[in-house]
Amino acid sequence: ETGVTQSPTHLIKTRGQQVTLRCSSQSGHNTVSWYQQALGQGPQFIFQYYREEENGRGNFPPRFSGLQFPNYSSELNVNALELDDSALYLCASNSRTEAFFGQGTRLTVV
Amino acid sequence: AQTVTQSQPEMSVQEAETVTLSCTYDTSENNYYLFWYKQPPSRQMILVIRQEAYKQQNATENRFSVNFQKAAKSFSLKISDSQLGDTAMYFCAFMKHGGSSNTGKLIFGQGTTLQVKP
Repeated sequence: ETGVTQSPTHLIKTRGQQVTLRCSSQSGHNTVSWYQQALGQGPQFIFQYYREEENGRGNFPPRFSGLQFPNYSSELNVNALELDDSALYLCASNSRTEAFFGQGTRLTVV
Repeated sequence: AQTVTQSQPEMSVQEAETVTLSCTYDTSENNYYLFWYKQPPSRQMILVIRQEAYKQQNATENRFSVNFQKAAKSFSLKISDSQLGDTAMYFCAFMKHGGSSNTGKLIFGQGTTLQVKP
């Protein structure tokens, strides 16, 4: 158990809709990162939040946005969903030396 | 930019035998971390082993050990006495040392699917 919890575990959305995924980080970690993992691929870095500010972003369009709250939990929002957004979304709570992952949210866009 | 390459999409090994998974990476950084993560069908990404680049000694965790060759930018994982529970997808990952700020961005390879056969 990593202490990182993601919700929901599965989600089905229609193309064009908006979705919000949630992550509670491990106690004491002020940094959270989000990754997108397509089927059979390695995770791709979306962005990272450090003390409620975005602190690094991967090659994802602006319709991928996030928030981090004072308790260091986080949300990933995706607007105008596309079929290619179907993937496993992983949240990681970071210490200085490693990342602790949640179990992921499987998003299917139909 | 950093890249991580795993050239073995799939591997299999008999139970109780030893298997080595390969990983190469490219970076201009001098201080960084390398990781092997295991992802079983349950999807949870589990840390197997971590190597700090400034340490010459290869990391070891029970049946798991690495061969870290910094000059060659190679970071292989050896699994000894393979068990059925080792069946999973294995990812090699790179993380830059954050210094005074926490820069926890992980760069992953494409993964190697390992099947342990009884």
